Formats: sequence, C-alpha cells, structure tokens
Amino acid sequence: DGGITQSPKYLFRKEGQNVTLSCEQNLNHDAMYWYRQDPGQGLRLIYYSQIVNDFQKGDIAEGYSVSREKKESFPLTVTSAQKNPTAFYLCASRRTGTELNTQYFGPGTRLTVL
Amino acid sequence: AQTVTQSQPEMSVQEAETVTLSCTYDTSENNYYLFWYKQPPSRQMILVIRQEAYKQQNATENRFSVNFQKAAKSFSLKISDSQLGDTAMYFCAFIPTGNQFYFGTGTSLTVIP
Repeated sequence: DGGITQSPKYLFRKEGQNVTLSCEQNLNHDAMYWYRQDPGQGLRLIYYSQIVNDFQKGDIAEGYSVSREKKESFPLTVTSAQKNPTAFYLCASRRTGTELNTQYFGPGTRLTVL
Repeated sequence: AQTVTQSQPEMSVQEAETVTLSCTYDTSENNYYLFWYKQPPSRQMILVIRQEAYKQQNATENRFSVNFQKAAKSFSLKISDSQLGDTAMYFCAFIPTGNQFYFGTGTSLTVIP
C-alpha cells in the first residue's frame, strides 16, 4: 500500500538525549514536512524539504535538525537543545508541480521527555 | 503575513443535523489552495475537502461542502447529516504559492447521539 509511515508511535527520552523520529513515504512525493502539534496551537512547521539534499527551516526549527538523503526518507532529530520537546510530531508529504497541491500525513509520533 | 483563523474552538451538533465550521484567512496572493482536514481521536490527519481559489464553484464531497467567499477570505465547512464518526478536530489550511502550508488552531466538533 502507498502511504507515509512514522516510527516509533511512542517515544520516551531522558533529558539531555538526542532522539530521531523516522518518516518514510512511498508515494513518490517530492516535498516532505515536519510539524509539531501542541494542545490548542494547531500545527507548527519545523522543517520542510522540496528535493533531496535540500531543506528549509520552518517557524520553530530551533533545537531540531533534519536530513534528506533519499527522496523517500526525511528523519527528524530532536536535540538536547530543544527546551520543551514533549509533543505530538506529524510528518507529511506532497507532490509538487501539480494543481492538487495536497498534503498527506503520517500517523504521528508522540514524544515524551521524562 | 499569511494567517488562518478558526474562531470556534469547540462546537457540538446532534446526530443527523447540519453544522457549519468557520474559517477565515489572510493572504495577499491571488492563487492558492484551501483545505479542511479532520483529526479524529486516533490523531491521524485526514483530508476532508479541498478548494482551488481560482474556481468559483464550491467543492463538495458527499456530506461535506464548503462555502468559499474569496473576497471575504472565508472558507467555511458544512457537514450535513452529522454522524458519530464525524467527532474530531477539524483544521482549516491553505497554501499560497511556494511550499509552506498554514493551519488554523482547529475546531473540536462533538456529534451528540
């Protein structure tokens, strides 16, 4: 089946540790996105990437890093510099260059800092 | 600045009734795309409906329809014959030219049996 997968579904981290959230898509989409969701704040953009080996900071990039070595994969690392990382993280992808311009989402990862 | 405002944090509707969720946005661009996404308790974001700004005809998808008023920058979602499975958080979003999407803060809809 075509789709976007995120792993793990739940992740626990001790303070001071870096963790990496996985996002993979087999939809042949060019653009990929990472969002953070907190209660009452909707979705906030962390990073996005239009093509391999290129990515741009979103509104809340501080304390996060990404890579885009393959079209299918866009992992997000939450570093120890992120002061309040407990949140729900959503990955999304979109095929560029079409009039549909629709973004599709993975199931999300819930990160909790202990 | 590009912004999306959903002024109704919570709403409820009786099963089988109709409900309308409001959304306004601000952009200086003329061409863009608008979306409504649904996030049920599973937290999976699901596309409900989309609208191209250059199309005057309002989009419909089964029980879901929109009222798109471009001049007023308004994009409301109407759900007809509400079902228990419609209980979810609903997010309005749009993408102007470029690659960044803009989301509202959501409306929590509860369908009452």
